[in-house]
Formats: sequence, C-alpha cells, structure tokens
Amino acid sequence: DIVMTQSPDSLTVSLGERATINCKSSQNVLYRSNNKNYLAWYQKKPGQPPRLLIYWASTRESGVPDRFSGSGSGTDFTLTINNLQPEDVAVYYCQQYYSTALFGQGTKVEIK
Amino acid sequence: QVQLVQSGSELKKPGASVKVSCKASGYTFTDYVMHWVRQAPGQGLEWMGWISIKSGNPTYARGFTGRFVFSLDTSINTAYLQINSLKADDTATYYCARPARGYSYFDSWGQGTLVTVSS
Repeated sequence: DIVMTQSPDSLTVSLGERATINCKSSQNVLYRSNNKNYLAWYQKKPGQPPRLLIYWASTRESGVPDRFSGSGSGTDFTLTINNLQPEDVAVYYCQQYYSTALFGQGTKVEIK
Repeated sequence: QVQLVQSGSELKKPGASVKVSCKASGYTFTDYVMHWVRQAPGQGLEWMGWISIKSGNPTYARGFTGRFVFSLDTSINTAYLQINSLKADDTATYYCARPARGYSYFDSWGQGTLVTVSS
C-alpha cells in the first residue's frame, strides 16, 4: 500500500500569514500516461464532513478561495494557505488516489 | 445539486449490529460508485472501501474485511454500511463519499453518522 506522511502534525500561524503543509507519498503517484498526480487535499472541521480543496495536486475545487494552492509532483506535495483567515482553522488531509484511496494522518492548523 | 443524506446517530451495545444509510440525490446514482470513510474520535480519516453501484460488487480496505458489509438499494438510490459484532473501537463517525467520475477523490460527502458502541 502507498503510505502518505504529512508534516508537520500541527502548526500555529498568525492571521494573514502563510501556512505550509507537506505530504510525502511512499510511492510515485504521478501517472505517466496522462502526466497527472493522483493527489488531493481536504479540509476537515469538527462536526462537518471533509471538504475537497485541491485535486490533481494543484487544481482548486470550484468555490475554494484562491489563497489555497497545491503544488508538487511524484512523491512530494505541498498545500499552501496564504493570508490565513480565522475560518481556515481546521485539520488538513492529503489523499492519494493512484492506488485505491489512502489519507495522510492530518495536519492541524491553528491561529497564533 | 448533489446531496448525500445519511441516517442519524446510533448507540449500540457491543456485539450488536448497525446499518447506516446514505441516500443520494441530484445525480444519476448508477453512474458513480460510493465510498465509505471512517473517523474515530480524535483520529484521522480512514478509507474503508467502495461499492460499485452498477454491479453491487464491494471492495474493502485492509482492516475492514469480515464484519463490514457494503450494500445497495438502487430503487431508492441508497447505499448502506452494516457493521456486525460491534466493538467499542468501532465508535466513530462514518461518512459516505461520492468520488469524481472515474477517479477516487471525493467531491461530495454525506454529513456523517456517529456510531457509538458502549455497554
């Protein structure tokens, strides 16, 4: 199975600053035939279902603010939240869908 | 718009069974598969597996074989998760999730069903 490892487990960021979350896959999730990375990012708040933010590693889901961006390829990926807002406090998960579907362990983002 | 509406919270005793429903609307049910995801208290998201709506064939993730059963009633656009022989560590919120067509990232989620197992 492909294992997804996120870092850090938690981070505290000041309002208006940048949060950077990393996700490392134990295997390549870039499918060469279509040159797409099978990697998604979700936001999870207590009492709510997960919300899809990013798919194909860098494609923002409709309605997601443009302060959220995804980057990376192969085995190393990053979710960046620019200009952190109070409503961004949540746990963020990466998920590979190259082989079935597996989530990282999550990264908790808090406001300083 | 796509909606996945799950059944309400359940409180069960160890050894009992529970069946969680997920009613889909706003799209052609048979054009997609349905996945299930678990989140235990204070833990992360765990992918449990999926069921083909067209064939009814389930696929279970490692750790979710044996006591976990995915099923369907396509006449009412509903997917089900049944958990048998419940244990305390089955206490969790269970989500159904519809993937994007042809791929396994999830663009629509049910609201979640909390299953509590306690004597």
